Amino acid sequence: EDQVTQSPEALRLQEGESSSLNCSYTVSGLRGLFWYRQDPGKGPEFLFTLYSAGEEKEKERLKATLTKKESFLHITAPKPEDSATYLCAVQTRGGSYIPTFGRGTSLIVHP
Amino acid sequence: DAGVIQSPRHEVTEMGQEVTLRCKPISGHNSLFWYRQTMMRGLELLIYFNNNVPIDDSGMPEDRFSAKMPNASFSTLKIQPSEPRDSAVYFCASSIGVSGEQYFGPGTRLTVT
Repeated sequence: EDQVTQSPEALRLQEGESSSLNCSYTVSGLRGLFWYRQDPGKGPEFLFTLYSAGEEKEKERLKATLTKKESFLHITAPKPEDSATYLCAVQTRGGSYIPTFGRGTSLIVHP
Repeated sequence: DAGVIQSPRHEVTEMGQEVTLRCKPISGHNSLFWYRQTMMRGLELLIYFNNNVPIDDSGMPEDRFSAKMPNASFSTLKIQPSEPRDSAVYFCASSIGVSGEQYFGPGTRLTVT
């Protein structure tokens, strides 16, 4: 059974304090890994797609990386507006291709 | 494009009543997903459609839940009869193909008393 585990569940940072969020996965064959941002009271917003180990994607202060077992979302010099829940999802080869979502990491950045 | 549109945004109803949630996907997207999100269980896929056809409804909790997609621009999720444990935020998302790159609506917060 495909599994996606995100850690930590919650993270508090001071503004400017860089850190990383983790998404580890156990799947039969990875087709793609996806990162989303969800603000309170809103739907998840797509951020990145990663397809193969070694791949990296960047957007402003966020950088997503992928290995064969996990993905990291690195946040460099975060600002309070980066506060949100970050979700990852994996899509496997074969089967229905339906992505499996993790439970998310709730990030709070204090000014 | 206006993005995925959901209505209503909030619904409060009494146990036993019928609830209908509505979704308009992004034009040109041919896959549509219905999710439920709670603190306890996170984001759960209920059902998804491809080219207006239901493909996988294994996430639908029980027969009280039903979903339809009569055309490419409209889908409904119906709960009849509703129960307090159905209280959650329900999201609709659309994509091109069955993709992990999905675009979510703002959600409907359902409260069943």
